[in-house]
Amino acid sequence: AQSVTQPDIHITVSEGASLELRCNYSYGATPYLFWYVQSPGQGLQLLLKYFSGDTLVQGIKGFEAEFKRSQSSFNLRKPSVHWSDAAEYFCAVGAGNNDMRFGAGTRLTVKP
Amino acid sequence: KAGVTQTPRYLIKTRGQQVTLSCSPISGHRSVSWYQQTPGQGLQFLFEYFSETQRNKGNFPGRFSGRQFSNSRSEMNVSTLELGDSALYLCASSLAPGSSVPDTQYFGPGTRLTVL
Repeated sequence: AQSVTQPDIHITVSEGASLELRCNYSYGATPYLFWYVQSPGQGLQLLLKYFSGDTLVQGIKGFEAEFKRSQSSFNLRKPSVHWSDAAEYFCAVGAGNNDMRFGAGTRLTVKP
Repeated sequence: KAGVTQTPRYLIKTRGQQVTLSCSPISGHRSVSWYQQTPGQGLQFLFEYFSETQRNKGNFPGRFSGRQFSNSRSEMNVSTLELGDSALYLCASSLAPGSSVPDTQYFGPGTRLTVL
């Protein structure tokens, strides 16, 4: 079965600084990868997804992620973080029939 | 287009009671999945319904059940509540049935269940 590891439980960055959130997956077949964001008290919002093709994926809110098969990674990046980006971020890997497995999440704090 | 809606948003129950949560998917979406989110276990898949049939099931006891109606609305029921059932229950809908490729899921705001 597929699984996801997000090594960083909590990350703090200064507003305007760049951001990279790490995600490693384990899946024997072609991985279908997602990044979601969850603000306090809210559900999950899809940031971006990778199914195939270009390994650099652009998402909403200025986020991008790069799929690296050799490293089994799908790291999320943003060149300049805004205070409104403070939230929890979840990486997920999907298989057929909507079988989604989520990582434990990374909580992002943004310092003014 | 309205998003996924879940009712109620907050619920307080006592041990031994049962509870029913409701989820209305995005219009046109036919698949509904349920997840339990807790600080200790994170996001865990409960089950998925498509065309009124449970298609996938996670590793939860039989106290957790669900159903889907012909209009794709779904309900989740938890019987004989335990303290450990306190969690945020999230519902997600997707447009088409997953086959070999997963469909993008859109999440509702969740129902916060507290068991006392």
